[in-house]
Amino acid sequence: AQSVTQPDIHITVSEGASLELRCNYSYGATPYLFWYVQSPGQGLQLLLKYFSGDTLVQGIKGFEAEFKRSQSSFNLRKPSVHWSDAAEYFCAVGARSSNTGKLIFGQGTTLQVKP
Amino acid sequence: DAGVTQSPTHLIKTRGQQVTLRCSPKSGHDTVSWYQQALGQGPQFIFQYYEEEERQRGNFPDRFSGHQFPNYSSELNVNALLLGDSALYLCASSLALSNQPQHFGDGTRLSIL
Repeated sequence: AQSVTQPDIHITVSEGASLELRCNYSYGATPYLFWYVQSPGQGLQLLLKYFSGDTLVQGIKGFEAEFKRSQSSFNLRKPSVHWSDAAEYFCAVGARSSNTGKLIFGQGTTLQVKP
Repeated sequence: DAGVTQSPTHLIKTRGQQVTLRCSPKSGHDTVSWYQQALGQGPQFIFQYYEEEERQRGNFPDRFSGHQFPNYSSELNVNALLLGDSALYLCASSLALSNQPQHFGDGTRLSIL
């Protein structure tokens, strides 16, 4: 079955500390991979995506993610967290046959940033 | 350049009623997908419309139906509302056959009393 697992429901980090949010997926083949961020009362904003090529992808707001095929993982990282990064983060996968097909989302990780 | 716009922002209905939610895709996009996001959960795919036809459907009952208009805008209709239909409904648009990801609107918050 196709699924996305985000093992950490809630993470708290201090401002300026590094961050890693975990994402593991189960899929028939290598999918397209995405990280989205959602602030309260808002829709989803794309942070970054992996389609092919370099397995380390850079996104907006200083985020990066690394695709590891052997581990079926696509973890999100940021070297220094800012208070404005507090939000809900979602990992998602989609079929390579059509990038406009359905996305399967994880349950999300809530990030709290301590001053 | 307007992004994905959804209306209304909030909606309150009672059980058994029906509701229509609206979505205008980002300029240049021709494909619209709808997702349901229950509180504390990730979005769940409802269906996708392209060329005015439903192309893919998730695991949702027939009470959920949709439509896409020639200008690519879309509606989501839900009949016989249940308490469990309370959720944030997100619309996403994209350009078919392109290598671009989906763009999401801010959603419609539907509350069922």
